[in-house]
Amino acid sequence: DGGITQSPKYLFRKEGQNVTLSCEQNLNHDAMYWYRQDPGQGLRLIYYSQIVNDFQKGDIAEGYSVSREKKESFPLTVTSAQKNPTAFYLCASRRDRVNNEQFFGPGTRLTVL
Amino acid sequence: AQSVTQLDSQVPVFEEAPVELRCNYSSSVSVYLFWYVQYPNQGLQLLLKYLSGSTLVKGINGFEAEFNKSQTSFHLRKPSVHISDTAEYFCAVSYLDDYKLSFGAGTTVTVRA
Repeated sequence: DGGITQSPKYLFRKEGQNVTLSCEQNLNHDAMYWYRQDPGQGLRLIYYSQIVNDFQKGDIAEGYSVSREKKESFPLTVTSAQKNPTAFYLCASRRDRVNNEQFFGPGTRLTVL
Repeated sequence: AQSVTQLDSQVPVFEEAPVELRCNYSSSVSVYLFWYVQYPNQGLQLLLKYLSGSTLVKGINGFEAEFNKSQTSFHLRKPSVHISDTAEYFCAVSYLDDYKLSFGAGTTVTVRA
């Protein structure tokens, strides 16, 4: 079955540590996205990538970094510079420009202790 | 920048009653419109989308939405809800040929017996 996988589902981190969230898709989609979700605020875009080896900052990129070395993979690193990292993180991919629908993974809940 | 307003943050409703979730967006140019549903601790699932054509869009699980260009609205409706419709619902908008989606803050629907 095609889809998007995110791991781990739950992640705990101590303050001052970097942590990397995994996102893999086998849908053969070019574009991939990372969102952060906080209660009552909807989804906010962190980074997106339209093609391999290229990515752009979204609305809240500070304290985060990404890479796009393979079409299937778009990992997100939450660095120690992110002041309030506890949140639900969602990865998504988009099929093409004609059909603008985004497909979402199951999410990773990050808690900073 | 796109702005999406979901006018109700919480909507309690009795089982088998109708429900309407309101969504307004800011742009006056051509846009794509989406409604997604999120069950607790899961990713987002597409309910329906408007790309072009008929202004009444039918989606999964008995939901439908109507695009109103003059009022820049895309309200979601279901004539008879079930307990299983308890979830959070997000309206999203994008410009044509834009890779990004802008999300509303979400509406939590709670269906009671």
